[in-house]
Amino acid sequence: DAGVTQSPTHLIKTRGQQVTLRCSPKSGHDTVSWYQQALGQGPQFIFQYYEEEERQRGNFPDRFSGHQFPNYSSELNVNALLLGDSALYLCASSFRGAAAFYGYTFGSGTRLTVV
Amino acid sequence: KNQVEQSPQSLIILEGKNCTLQCNYTVSPFSNLRWYKQDTGRGPVSLTIMTFSENTKSNGRYTATLDADTKQSSLHITASQLSDSASYICVVSSTSGGSYIPTFGRGTSLIVHP
Repeated sequence: DAGVTQSPTHLIKTRGQQVTLRCSPKSGHDTVSWYQQALGQGPQFIFQYYEEEERQRGNFPDRFSGHQFPNYSSELNVNALLLGDSALYLCASSFRGAAAFYGYTFGSGTRLTVV
Repeated sequence: KNQVEQSPQSLIILEGKNCTLQCNYTVSPFSNLRWYKQDTGRGPVSLTIMTFSENTKSNGRYTATLDADTKQSSLHITASQLSDSASYICVVSSTSGGSYIPTFGRGTSLIVHP
């Protein structure tokens, strides 16, 4: 039973560029959430996707956008990269009907470095 | 504003010793509280989950407690091992209108020395 898969594992981009990160949820999960984790900090909620729509959004600018596909996989896009966007980006999946109890399964993350 | 505060920020102990990590929260309405272990550069892995009616939950050498009245939780690690070196994150969740958004603490960094 595959867990949450994220790609790529590491990425280096130049300031001003755009980046796309990908996530495949755990089998049986239908909801995907994205988090940004700066070094030494806890994860910060970016947004959550369910039924191919953004359902909740954290305090992140419009440069951060996402998409969910019919197979429940998801992408996180970041435009006009800033040095401060350097972080570990975590994808977490859940089953919406029981997320409150079973919670999230996290992927190993994508380490984004902006230079 | 929902907040989760963890203490200490970091902790160094010797292998075999016990330790206790603290979590205070102001999250409403309360749904559940989880402790996660996060190894460096990896995603968090759930250790325990407690709902409002539960005040203790164990997972091997990890024991979590919850006092819903004072809005405090602790994670006790018994007979620590080198592999316990990681960040431990307290996550408190509320539900509203069918949505489920957890609030993360910053974590406690635990280092276990031989």
